[in-house]
Amino acid sequence: EADIYQTPRYLVIGTGKKITLECSQTMGHDKMYWYQQDPGMELHLIHYSYGVNSTEKGDLSSESTVSRIRTEHFPLTLESARPSHTSQYLCASSEKQGRYEQYFGPGTRLTVT
Amino acid sequence: GNSVTQMEGPVTLSEEAFLTINCTYTATGYPSLFWYVQYPGEGLQLLLKATKADDKGSNKGFEATYRKETTSFHLEKGSVQVSDSAVYFCALKVDTGRRALTFGSGTRLQVQP
Repeated sequence: EADIYQTPRYLVIGTGKKITLECSQTMGHDKMYWYQQDPGMELHLIHYSYGVNSTEKGDLSSESTVSRIRTEHFPLTLESARPSHTSQYLCASSEKQGRYEQYFGPGTRLTVT
Repeated sequence: GNSVTQMEGPVTLSEEAFLTINCTYTATGYPSLFWYVQYPGEGLQLLLKATKADDKGSNKGFEATYRKETTSFHLEKGSVQVSDSAVYFCALKVDTGRRALTFGSGTRLQVQP
């Protein structure tokens, strides 16, 4: 059973606000990921991390930033939210070695008004 | 590069009908292949996987066979239920490199009673 959590599940916020989306996993996985899912369902990798203090940009350019200070925690921050940031954000994790699948959190649906 | 192509949806079926969702891939190296399912308002859940050619993944009545000669991993189910209504994603991961899963664009399945 995968144990990966995201909070909040839903967030409606005004333009210009700073927000942090939380993601935590209790499986001790080294690799963690953030995906943005557009209304057409397609998933785009925006950030990933191989371990503590290791983060890289993904395939889709994003104005968000991430940090990885602890293995279990991989928060995503938007310094100034805009309506174009409205989307579903999915966090995932996987083991470091081998052909291991990714485990996904339930997602955060963000709406910026 | 790596890519996954899925049949476009939505796929609309009556209950107890046979399901096929086509998935083909292009990959450098030898990928592992996955099917994920996303129910409304939730994150992605791993449905099944196959790690080498001719492997068959199966779960909850769904099956997919890793066909290296046709670079395909089609999802099938003999008799769908209304509860199978969801979005299905085909994905691959190769050992080389450090990137995340490569996803297809998703196929929405609607099963009518």
